[in-house]
Amino acid sequence: EDQVTQSPEALRLQEGESSSLNCSYTVSGLRGLFWYRQDPGKGPEFLFTLYSAGEEKEKERLKATLTKKESFLHITAPKPEDSATYLCAVQAYGSSNTGKLIFGQGTTLQVKP
Amino acid sequence: EPEVTQTPSHQVTQMGQEVILRCVPISNHLYFYWYRQILGQKVEFLVSFYNNEISEKSEIFDDQFSVERPDGSNFTLKIRSTKLEDSAMYFCASSEARGANQPQHFGDGTRLSIL
Repeated sequence: EDQVTQSPEALRLQEGESSSLNCSYTVSGLRGLFWYRQDPGKGPEFLFTLYSAGEEKEKERLKATLTKKESFLHITAPKPEDSATYLCAVQAYGSSNTGKLIFGQGTTLQVKP
Repeated sequence: EPEVTQTPSHQVTQMGQEVILRCVPISNHLYFYWYRQILGQKVEFLVSFYNNEISEKSEIFDDQFSVERPDGSNFTLKIRSTKLEDSAMYFCASSEARGANQPQHFGDGTRLSIL
């Protein structure tokens, strides 16, 4: 069964304190791994897509990396506005091939000034 | 930037009543999805829709659920006879294609509360 697990569930950082969020996945065949940001009361906002092991993507203070079993979202020198829930999702190859996303439970990040 | 729009933002309904959740996907997108998120739980896939038919549905999407694209812009989710356990955030998403190179873009959701 395709599965996504994120850790930690919650993370508190001081402004400027860098850290990483983890997303472990088990899929029959990885089509793509997605990172989304979700603010309270809002829908998931797309950040990155990663396709193959070794790939990296960057956006401002965020960098996403991918191995064959997990992905990391590195946050460098975070600011309070980076506070949000970060969701990881995978899209797997399969007979249906419909684009279904399988989500992890998310990591809620709080950055204190 | 184009966005997915969902209405209403909050719907309160008596158990057993029918409810319709509405979505306007991004205009050039061809693939449409509904997901739901029960409070404190993961975002869960419900259904995908392409070319006016369901492509895939999850076990959650039973006979009480239906989707429709009644015109060129709207995409709706109907729950025929709501249950208490249907209370959740419902998210609509759309994408240009189903491949991973075309990410899904989400609306801000409809919070459905069943009394």
